[in-house]
Amino acid sequence: AQKVTQAQTEISVVEKEDVTLDCVYETRDTTYYLFWYKQPPSGELVFLIRRNSFDEQNEISGRYSWNFQKSTSSFNFTITASQVVDSAVYFCALSEAHGSSNTGKLIFGQGTTLQVKP
Amino acid sequence: DAGITQSPRHKVTETGTPVTLRCHQTENHRYMYWYRQDPGHGLRLIHYSYGVKDTDKGEVSDGYSVSRSKTEDFLLTLESATSSQTSVYFCAIRKQGGGNTEAFFGQGTRLTVV
Repeated sequence: AQKVTQAQTEISVVEKEDVTLDCVYETRDTTYYLFWYKQPPSGELVFLIRRNSFDEQNEISGRYSWNFQKSTSSFNFTITASQVVDSAVYFCALSEAHGSSNTGKLIFGQGTTLQVKP
Repeated sequence: DAGITQSPRHKVTETGTPVTLRCHQTENHRYMYWYRQDPGHGLRLIHYSYGVKDTDKGEVSDGYSVSRSKTEDFLLTLESATSSQTSVYFCAIRKQGGGNTEAFFGQGTRLTVV
């Protein structure tokens, strides 16, 4: 069965601290995709990154970085030098690929609420 | 902007009444999805569509039906609303068929069943 676990329900940091959001997933497929979405207080869902299961290269985008490790089934997200504007709920999600029946259904984790205090 | 509009944005309804939520897209994408968001559960898939009149159930489909008579519109209907269906509902589209592209979400509809 597919499952995504974000064990950290809430994290509170002070501005400029680094913070890592954990994501652990379960799947029996060898081909799958992992995503991170951000939900700021305004409520919309903002796409941050997609990773496929064959690409374990870590990615950095400004203050954001992602560490994908298949050996531990983890796709962790680090914010360096956090800012108040980073305060949001962050969701990790999994989508499996089944060849021609690639429906793109997303399995979400429970979400981690990040509060960055000034 | 992925061109997704959800309506209404907020609704309060009484238990037992039917409710229809609308998702409209402007870019003719094949795949459309309805998710609900509840505390402690993240987002869960209700139904999805892979073309006009082609729909399938998701993880939490009981009590919901969908219809897609045009590419641009995907309707979610609560046949007889219950308090357990109080939630925030998100529509999403996927810009290409399949899982290798990200989903883009509408603004959400906050539904309260009293």
